Amino acid sequence: GESVGLHLPTLSVQEGDNSIINCAYSNSASDYFIWYKQESGKGPQFIIDIRSNMDKRQGQRVTVLLNKTVKHLSLQIAATQPGDSAVYFCAENAGGTSYGKLTFGQGTILTVHP
Amino acid sequence: DTAVSQTPKYLVTQMGNDKSIKCEQNLGHDTMYWYKQDSKKFLKIMFSYNNKELIINETVPNRFSPKSPDKAHLNLHINSLELGDSAVYFCASSHLDPPEKLFFGSGTQLSVL
Repeated sequence: GESVGLHLPTLSVQEGDNSIINCAYSNSASDYFIWYKQESGKGPQFIIDIRSNMDKRQGQRVTVLLNKTVKHLSLQIAATQPGDSAVYFCAENAGGTSYGKLTFGQGTILTVHP
Repeated sequence: DTAVSQTPKYLVTQMGNDKSIKCEQNLGHDTMYWYKQDSKKFLKIMFSYNNKELIINETVPNRFSPKSPDKAHLNLHINSLELGDSAVYFCASSHLDPPEKLFFGSGTQLSVL
């Protein structure tokens, strides 16, 4: 079936470094992508989203890049802080008829060392 | 002023029991969801309701029965609990545009013994 996957399940960085979390997707019909952050004991928290008619979107310290040619999505976090330590999920919709259904990737554990 | 709240946060019960999880959102959203997160952190949709009407049912055993008394509430009742039902269950809600921008509750950790 269609799926979203992550290349790296864990990522360790030093405080102040930039972090890049990658995600591959397989459903070419997907037209909306979203990144979530999940801290221990909490629900996923929205970080940033992007539609398929864009290839880059920036937020506060975060940037999402979308490469539809190779079906690749990435989340860049600038000046990573210990508070950024969490599990990060990418997710995609299933195209026009998905109506709120998201398919999640496996998650990447980001650890930020002081 | 929690946006999406679910209760209880922890639920420990014996196999064969029936239990319910409640969810409420005060965001004014039209659509609510139940997602299941397994021990490997994999998140999968179970159900979706829009204005009290079921719109997504992802081949979930019929022991799971969602109920939406109004568009701000979506409860999940589980009959005859099995060991494999142990997981974290998340309620979420979303508005019309985009419907996929979900706001999640803090989860209910269900442990079936």
